[in-house]
Amino acid sequence: QSVLTQPPSASGTPGQRVTISCSGSNSNVASNYVYWYQQLPGTAPKLLIYRNNQRPSGVPDRFSGSRSGTSASLAISGLRSEDEADYSCAAWDDSLSGYVFGTGTKVTVL
Amino acid sequence: QVQLVQSGAEVRKPGASVKVSCKTSGYTFTDYYVHWVRQAPGQGLEWMGWINPNSGGTKYAQQFKGWVTMTRDTSITTAYMELSRLKSDDTAMYYCARSNIEDAFDFWGQGTMVTVSS
Repeated sequence: QSVLTQPPSASGTPGQRVTISCSGSNSNVASNYVYWYQQLPGTAPKLLIYRNNQRPSGVPDRFSGSRSGTSASLAISGLRSEDEADYSCAAWDDSLSGYVFGTGTKVTVL
Repeated sequence: QVQLVQSGAEVRKPGASVKVSCKTSGYTFTDYYVHWVRQAPGQGLEWMGWINPNSGGTKYAQQFKGWVTMTRDTSITTAYMELSRLKSDDTAMYYCARSNIEDAFDFWGQGTMVTVSS
């Protein structure tokens, strides 16, 4: 039931910059805030970015979010081994009248 | 500190029901919505709905209407999610999460694994 589309995987070497896309539609990404969650193996999701580009306290500034039209992106700069996790975007969908999540992207640090 | 602690793993047969609890602490229970999100093995996250602990009002995702029920007990700051008529593809990790004023899910429970198998 994922309405938001993400690439299944992304990778980079330590120190590199990795970008993950989140493709939606006018009823979700284009008209509502986008959120990003990080899920380390075997753990619950953790809030990474809220309201498109805001970081909660404690989240390193290596993580940044942006939105343009029906797409959003999460960038991880200065990639570190501890960034190896699954990343999911989310947004409210006006047509479905509910939250929708992305398909998820697994980030691997080579 | 804010904590959401869920009940333990459950195994049910197809057609049965399951009720998962989410005990909260460290904040005013009635000030924040509680959401339920599930994740089937190897799959993405799926939002199921929310409950307003203050009023008891609920909103369910369309695909769950008629077979999910979310309730709360304010006296013990606990939210519940009950899923009925279970099928094998309801096998998943079920999470509760709190949403804050920015509508972000800022704190999550540890998850409850529900396995549906005959």
